[in-house]
Amino acid sequence: TQLLEQSPQFLSIQEGENLTVYCNSSSVFSSLQWYRQEPGEGPVLLVTVVTGGEVKKLKRLTFQFGDARKDSSLHITAAQPGDTGLYLCAGDQTGANNLFFGTGTRLTVIP
Amino acid sequence: DTGVSQNPRHKITKRGQNVTFRCDPISEHNRLYWYRQTLGQGPEFLTYFQNEAQLEKSRLLSDRFSAERPKGSFSTLEIQRTEQGDSAMYLCASSFQTFHGYTFGSGTRLTVV
Repeated sequence: TQLLEQSPQFLSIQEGENLTVYCNSSSVFSSLQWYRQEPGEGPVLLVTVVTGGEVKKLKRLTFQFGDARKDSSLHITAAQPGDTGLYLCAGDQTGANNLFFGTGTRLTVIP
Repeated sequence: DTGVSQNPRHKITKRGQNVTFRCDPISEHNRLYWYRQTLGQGPEFLTYFQNEAQLEKSRLLSDRFSAERPKGSFSTLEIQRTEQGDSAMYLCASSFQTFHGYTFGSGTRLTVV
């Protein structure tokens, strides 16, 4: 059973366009994290959201945690080629010792 | 401290051979995790250490897999009698607490031929 489903699975856009990636679950998470992974490397933490409804901004990236703490979104404004990568959401459930990772969204930004 | 270090970066082995990977976490982090990632998928949890104690193992971790973290420092992951289905990227991560987020190493890519 996949706890976290991400959509879309693949996304190819032109430089300068905006995009949104979704991370959905039927489970409640105490926190949710977003990572970006480049080919041949490990994921790198971008942000952690903890409170339902929380919005965090990281330059051109906006992260939102759903009110019920079951879903999250990542919005990128004016995408750049450097944003290319695999975006992963990961959830932390109360009592669990590990993060559950989503299926990933592979983003390609074309110059 | 330069982050989480994993060795080797790449390993090609013949089916049936044993392999061992090493992970050196961030020294201040007491938690260490091993994950496996196949192409096009998110990382899947394998096992978790708090200091030297292995506190959780996934059902993915068959009897052919063993992990250790002697003295709560570096960790090793051994796969015995490798199978082609073991081909994957093996990622190590360390953290203070789960909600603080993980710092991952660059991974070890295993190819079983």
